[in-house]
Amino acid sequence: RKEVEQDPGPFNVPEGATVAFNCTYSNSASQSFFWYRQDCRKEPKLLMSVYSSGNEDGRFTAQLNRASQYISLLIRDSKLSDSATYLCVVKRSGNTPLVFGKGTRLSVIA
Amino acid sequence: DAGVIQSPRHEVTEMGQEVTLRCKPISGHNSLFWYRQTMMRGLELLIYFNNNVPIDDSGMPEDRFSAKMPNASFSTLKIQPSEPRDSAVYFCASRQTGSLAGGQETQYFGPGTRLLVL
Repeated sequence: RKEVEQDPGPFNVPEGATVAFNCTYSNSASQSFFWYRQDCRKEPKLLMSVYSSGNEDGRFTAQLNRASQYISLLIRDSKLSDSATYLCVVKRSGNTPLVFGKGTRLSVIA
Repeated sequence: DAGVIQSPRHEVTEMGQEVTLRCKPISGHNSLFWYRQTMMRGLELLIYFNNNVPIDDSGMPEDRFSAKMPNASFSTLKIQPSEPRDSAVYFCASRQTGSLAGGQETQYFGPGTRLLVL
């Protein structure tokens, strides 16, 4: 079983729609959580960190459920420019590497 | 800052040839990571270094792969001999960790090297 599991999609949504991605992780020692965004043929880039209390950055809301080992990302009012692959990422404490899910592909359609 | 620099950006080679991928991390970053990305397996960690010292190379597929970090500003990933199944995008990433990071441990990726082994 992969350490981080995501629905690969693709999610095809119209502009303005709200879309949610989910992710589960298997290592209960995971301490830090992130969403990265990867555009086609580009490198992954940090979208946002995920905090226990949940956090929001503009149209993006991330939530964490430690008991269920579940992370989510909500995108409101989708834009064409949101089309990308969204990677769920976890990390144990200390100087350890990030562990990536395979990503969920989103296409926002005009 | 120029960000993480990787070279070459594209490499096409024949099976059996040696391939060397290069990475220059962001200045001041003390951790460096090599990842490989394929459609089938996603983004996989191959090896990482802290302060130029290899910490975990358990992700390196086999003895054909080797990585070095002779100094804080340069790392190489070598494949010898290369095989068609090594075709993938290889990413190098760096971050600053520890007390100097001030809680900001964002990991930055280079643009990747697209490797095709024929």
